[in-house]
Amino acid sequence: ETAVFQTPNYHVTQVGNEVSFNCKQTLGHDTMYWYKQDSKKLLKIMFSYNNKQLIVNETVPRRFSPQSSDKAHLNLRIKSVEPEDSAVYLCASSWGNQDTQYFGPGTRLLVL
Amino acid sequence: GDSVTQTEGQVTVSESKSLIINCTYSATSIGYPNLFWYVRYPGEGLQLLLKVITAGQKGSSRGFEATYNKEATSFHLQKASVQESDSAVYYCALRPGSWQLIFGSGTQLTVMP
Repeated sequence: ETAVFQTPNYHVTQVGNEVSFNCKQTLGHDTMYWYKQDSKKLLKIMFSYNNKQLIVNETVPRRFSPQSSDKAHLNLRIKSVEPEDSAVYLCASSWGNQDTQYFGPGTRLLVL
Repeated sequence: GDSVTQTEGQVTVSESKSLIINCTYSATSIGYPNLFWYVRYPGEGLQLLLKVITAGQKGSSRGFEATYNKEATSFHLQKASVQESDSAVYYCALRPGSWQLIFGSGTQLTVMP
């Protein structure tokens, strides 16, 4: 049963455009994350966020930014996409940052 | 830095045979990281298979087992008899005491009928 929802499933766009991906969790968790899975299937953390603290992986370009309206939602905005942003973006949530993380199905981005 | 290594990108096993998927780790920021196996079945999202937070302990789920071996810095995944429904991508991961999970590159398991 899916409890972390992501939209869209798939998005195609052109270099320089802005995109935004949505993530919602219904588990009552207070911490959410964004991961990037590249073409080599490597999964890397991008952000961790709860209502008190945003933690950013220092390797994430500044064009990426998380946006949260409440603890159940954490969207990902990419201001001006680049070809290397083509990847699958996975959202996850947990209770605190030490508990098990639950993942959404992912959003696949293709930048032409 | 902290890292996870899965040496096999793809593994093919016949149904009812035994399986081992190798995972070794390096945890320089903390001596005793938490260790995990995640699995992605076809068409589904990544989900936790098992986790072990104490060195020397064994975790198990759905017939799979993994033992936290601190001396060998390993966390190999094993199953005595695989089924076709076990075909999936398996990811080993560690949490070095901080906020993030660090994943291996994944192992695609194909179980042949």
